[in-house]
Amino acid sequence: DAGVTQSPTHLIKTRGQQVTLRCSPKSGHDTVSWYQQALGQGPQFIFQYYEEEERQRGNFPDRFSGHQFPNYSSELNVNALLLGDSALYLCASSLQAVGAFFGQGTRLTVV
Amino acid sequence: AQSVTQLGSHVSVSEGALVLLRCNYSSSVPPYLFWYVQYPNQGLQLLLKYTTGATLVKGINGFEAEFKKSETSFHLTKPSAHMSDAAEYFCAVKRANFGNEKLTFGTGTRLTIIP
Repeated sequence: DAGVTQSPTHLIKTRGQQVTLRCSPKSGHDTVSWYQQALGQGPQFIFQYYEEEERQRGNFPDRFSGHQFPNYSSELNVNALLLGDSALYLCASSLQAVGAFFGQGTRLTVV
Repeated sequence: AQSVTQLGSHVSVSEGALVLLRCNYSSSVPPYLFWYVQYPNQGLQLLLKYTTGATLVKGINGFEAEFKKSETSFHLTKPSAHMSDAAEYFCAVKRANFGNEKLTFGTGTRLTIIP
């Protein structure tokens, strides 16, 4: 079992650009959540996808959007990047109440 | 709404000593509670979780935590610290209802082990 895999591991973008991050959930998991972890902080919930629909959303602007595919994999898109979007982006997959399993994250740096 | 407070952003203990990391939560409904560990430049690894039943839960790497509803606490302990325990630890809470997978995290506690 490969667990939760995220790509890429690192990337650097310029202010105003757009970025897409990808996540493959743990085998058997149908729910994918995305979190933003700023340096020195705890992860903050962005949104969650289940059955290809956004089921819950945290306090993030519409510049943050996502998608879930029929195979449960997911993408996080961020438009009009700001310097403050620099963070570790974590994907978590889960199945009901068993607890979320996290990927290694994508380190996004906006310059 | 839920919230988590982790007392002590940095904790240092000697190798072999007791580890105690504190977590208090606020939740308007019965909570599920979790502890995660994060090593440098890595994602989060689930240490243990409380959902229902026994209030003392055991996790990986010798860690355990006790859910105390009256104190709204879920402190993490380990009897004897090992150098490999040095990491960042996060307490998290979520509402115990189907369809809700949103975790609310504390700000973390960095554990340092003194040789």
